[in-house]
Amino acid sequence: GAVVSQHPSRVICKSGTSVKIECRSLDFQATTMFWYRQFPKQSLMLMATSNEGSKATYEQGVEKDKFLINHASLTLSTLTVTSAHPEDSSFYICSARGERAATEQYFGPGTRLTVT
Amino acid sequence: RKEVEQDPGPFNVPEGATVAFNCTYSNSASQSFFWYRQDCRKEPKLLMSVYSSGNEDGRFTAQLNRASQYISLLIRDSKLSDSATYLCVVRSLYNQGGKLIFGQGTELSVKP
Repeated sequence: GAVVSQHPSRVICKSGTSVKIECRSLDFQATTMFWYRQFPKQSLMLMATSNEGSKATYEQGVEKDKFLINHASLTLSTLTVTSAHPEDSSFYICSARGERAATEQYFGPGTRLTVT
Repeated sequence: RKEVEQDPGPFNVPEGATVAFNCTYSNSASQSFFWYRQDCRKEPKLLMSVYSSGNEDGRFTAQLNRASQYISLLIRDSKLSDSATYLCVVRSLYNQGGKLIFGQGTELSVKP
């Protein structure tokens, strides 16, 4: 199957700083990328959907100015958590999909963010 | 009401047991249905798609009832390696842009 990578896999940062997470599709063109967040013992919650070259569409309750998403190319999307706080500590997972909405989504391995 | 709801779990079963997971979804426009498996601290991985006619993949059988908006997963002869969280997932292509909606997951622990 297709491969999606995420970097970093784990990051610890201080409260108030910003953290950037990269999501790359390694062997296909990802027209659409999705960013999820998962708190312990909870399911994946979609944060936003990004299409290459367009502004991201955020889910209700997700602050777009806090979680900046850039999808500048067909193989790379970034999520920047700005002014991070301890409550932003979570498992962030991206997924990527090709051109048609019915195609399979491929998940990255996730990034574990801890804000101290 | 959550869009996708699953049995709360956890399920603790002995090796060789048969275990069934249930899931209901609220959006009648949902068109595609899946079961994903997630191991601790890992990303979810597609276990199988679910079709109206029911489908089987080895020890795993998935069923879909569109009328009652109900999905199930049956695992027969469970193995230690089946221990994981099982996520029920639905997708609507029309009014939600094809995004996946995840249930909260049901944890399975298979014991020797």
